[in-house]
Amino acid sequence: NAGVTQTPKFQVLKTGQSMTLQCAQDMNHEYMSWYRQDPGMGLRLIHYSVGAGITDQGEVPNGYNVSRSTTEDFPLRLLSAAPSQTSVYFCASRGGQSAFFGQGTRLTVV
Amino acid sequence: QKEVEQDPGPLSVPEGAIVSLNCTYSNSAFQYFMWYRQYSRKGPELLMYTYSSGNKEDGRFTAQVDKSSKYISLFIRDSQPSDSATYLCAMTSGYSSASKIIFGSGTRLSIRP
Repeated sequence: NAGVTQTPKFQVLKTGQSMTLQCAQDMNHEYMSWYRQDPGMGLRLIHYSVGAGITDQGEVPNGYNVSRSTTEDFPLRLLSAAPSQTSVYFCASRGGQSAFFGQGTRLTVV
Repeated sequence: QKEVEQDPGPLSVPEGAIVSLNCTYSNSAFQYFMWYRQYSRKGPELLMYTYSSGNKEDGRFTAQVDKSSKYISLFIRDSQPSDSATYLCAMTSGYSSASKIIFGSGTRLSIRP
């Protein structure tokens, strides 16, 4: 039981490039979400999904896309990377009232 | 005003001290209260969760909720250097996925040997 697995752990992008952050969970949770964590800002919700085929925007969705084709996977796509998207990204799945986090992807956009 | 307020610290205490971490909130609908611990360069991990008001103890950790004051606390007894981490409070109004979990911004704690 691996929990929530994120790849890659580190990534450097050039401005304007696109990429996909991968997230997979093996707990059969319906609810999954993406957060970004910046110093002094805490965890901010980007997008979330309440089940396969259903996604919705969170607090800071601009510049990001998501899809949910299976219960297990919830990838986050950066369409055209900007320096403001330099951050640490966490994927989480929810069981009941609690969230379980992956280990994070540290993204730098230069 | 943020829904959940948490002092960012940093908080530095000597080993063996009692640590008190706190959050205040504004939404009276919150019923489930959680504390997460996040080590440097790691993801947050669930440390404790409580439902409604009252206390919950787990080893050296005690979580306390005062819904009348909209105030929650985490106490760490006999603090150890391994407790050095960022602690995030979190809360939600319900069990279903329709109830978003709201996180505090985290308090950075350092325990000095």
